[in-house]
Amino acid sequence: EAGVAQSPRYKIIEKRQSVAFWCNPISGHATLYWYQQILGQGPKLLIQFQNNGVVDDSQLPKDRFSAERLKGVDSTLKIQPAKLEDSAVYLCASSTGTLNEQFFGPGTRLTVL
Amino acid sequence: GNSVTQMEGPVTLSEEAFLTINCTYTATGYPSLFWYVQYPGEGLQLLLKATKADDKGSNKGFEATYRKETTSFHLEKGSVQVSDSAVYFCALSDPYSGGGADGLTFGKGTHLIIQP
Repeated sequence: EAGVAQSPRYKIIEKRQSVAFWCNPISGHATLYWYQQILGQGPKLLIQFQNNGVVDDSQLPKDRFSAERLKGVDSTLKIQPAKLEDSAVYLCASSTGTLNEQFFGPGTRLTVL
Repeated sequence: GNSVTQMEGPVTLSEEAFLTINCTYTATGYPSLFWYVQYPGEGLQLLLKATKADDKGSNKGFEATYRKETTSFHLEKGSVQVSDSAVYFCALSDPYSGGGADGLTFGKGTHLIIQP
């Protein structure tokens, strides 16, 4: 069974530029999560989708971050404009439902200069 | 809000030593508790979980018991191996207090180094 796929794996941008990350969850997984992991810290939830609806986006900085999950499968996370403090690894995870195991992708490492 | 506190690393042990990584939590409801592990060069993966008080999660020789009275979920292993070297994250999920949202709240992680 294929795991969670993410691209790109690495991205370097200048501050105030825009960037987008893509995630393809495990087939059949209705729930998709985006986490931000800053160096030396644990992952922090940004947004949770159930199919194509948002369940929780309380920690998403909505002035610059946006996410969508069209057709309830793939998802994109966008940052516009990026700040230095957005440098982090962005992790996508998926699961089959509430409190079921979350399977994590390899992450996208973003560096904002 | 919810939070998880775990012991800072790195923790360095010799092979076959006994391991304890402390984890305590703060939650408004009745959370489920997890340990995730990240091996070098790999993604995060679930190690074990417990969904209610006094439950014991176990996997690969690791164990953790959900202690509601002390709000703790300490990770233990009787005899560690070099292959256990990794970063370990304690986490909680509290969907019944969050309208069904079960996103994880993680601790900062503990880097474990096992020397032969």
